[in-house]
Amino acid sequence: QKEVEQDPGPLSVPEGAIVSLNCTYSNSAFQYFMWYRQYSRKGPELLMYTYSSGNKEDGRFTAQVDKSSKYISLFIRDSQPSDSATYLCAMSALGTGNQFYFGTGTSLTVIP
Amino acid sequence: GAVVSQHPSWVICKSGTSVKIECRSLDFQATTMFWYRQFPKQSLMLMATSNEGSKATYEQGVEKDKFLINHASLTLSTLTVTSAHPEDSSFYICSVAGSGTDTQYFGPGTRLTVL
Repeated sequence: QKEVEQDPGPLSVPEGAIVSLNCTYSNSAFQYFMWYRQYSRKGPELLMYTYSSGNKEDGRFTAQVDKSSKYISLFIRDSQPSDSATYLCAMSALGTGNQFYFGTGTSLTVIP
Repeated sequence: GAVVSQHPSWVICKSGTSVKIECRSLDFQATTMFWYRQFPKQSLMLMATSNEGSKATYEQGVEKDKFLINHASLTLSTLTVTSAHPEDSSFYICSVAGSGTDTQYFGPGTRLTVL
């Protein structure tokens, strides 16, 4: 079983839709949860960072962590064509200087 | 977040030659740098972790004599692909971490094509 599971998609939505991206994981020691956005042929860009359980909101983006279910989500409201990218979840047991475990990424296309 | 640069952004080389990729942390001192490899439509695969002034720690299956990593300063790490072969063609991405940062910040990546 992989440490982190993520549906690769692809996912296509109309502009303005609410997008839900999800990852599940198996290691209960994970405490740091990240979402990265990666445009084609570019490095990943940090979108959201959450420690432990709970919700975090930043503009149109909301990250949720449910440690009891080992499940994390990223919601994008009022999706825009510029949101079209691959979204990677990542998690770590010890944070910053330690190994991250990545999902395979979900490819999202927002259609104007 | 931290600003990370990589150079070159794209390199094409002949089989058997060596290629050096630089990763620079532009606005903070990175005590730890990571090197990843990403094949098309796949996720990031960690190759090695390097701490400034120490030897890199390589992931299982990554040949340390083929992928030479030098983390000589808090702002610079280099990855040298020695005797490159077509199967080494990939997207190589570095990331940085350090005191005062909560997570890893990635460079823009280097696309290596070995002919």
